[in-house]
Amino acid sequence: ETGVTQSPTHLIKTRGQQVTLRCSSQSGHNTVSWYQQALGQGPQFIFQYYREEENGRGNFPPRFSGLQFPNYSSELNVNALELDDSALYLCASSFRDRVDEQYFGPGTRLTVT
Amino acid sequence: LAKTTQPISMDSYEGQEVNITCSHNNIATNDYITWYQQFPSQGPRFIIQGYKTKVTNEVASLFIPADRKSSTLSLPRVSLSDTAVYYCLVGDSRGSSASKIIFGSGTRLSIRP
Repeated sequence: ETGVTQSPTHLIKTRGQQVTLRCSSQSGHNTVSWYQQALGQGPQFIFQYYREEENGRGNFPPRFSGLQFPNYSSELNVNALELDDSALYLCASSFRDRVDEQYFGPGTRLTVT
Repeated sequence: LAKTTQPISMDSYEGQEVNITCSHNNIATNDYITWYQQFPSQGPRFIIQGYKTKVTNEVASLFIPADRKSSTLSLPRVSLSDTAVYYCLVGDSRGSSASKIIFGSGTRLSIRP
């Protein structure tokens, strides 16, 4: 297992609500990335954080936002939830210059009803 | 971004050697080839990475021909626990943005007794 942890494990929300997901990076890693994985699909890159600033973003709307804290832990916030936001949300940590070798957490399963 | 093509699914039996081939015709000079493994309801796990020729670790071997337009992940003597989805990724290994790390749909490997 990696040293990356995520909370909560599962979450059920109603359309229109807001959600915050949390991630603790593997010790020593300074970069965190978030992914959305729909059932049967590969992970889709949402955004990446380094030194508490967004450092790359995928094709996701602004209602997906994040934070990185000085201890490199991170949050993913999603506003105005839609049914299509139902997915497994993965957090991955890495060194900044080795983002190809990422260590993933177990994910948070979000269900929007 | 180099696109990758890999089989949707493969079946094999315990004790067999399994080879999963990935095509990446547009691979760039600075691109490395990385493979991840993902079990159900878990995050992907880094398996192996290479640039050319052959790389071997305790889990798998990666064969890359001279033209680098394809690569083959080799799993020796598979067991039931190797049943998973395997992703082939191509990107600038030493880059700093995970937005360049693209997961496709992967190869679903099923191992039978």
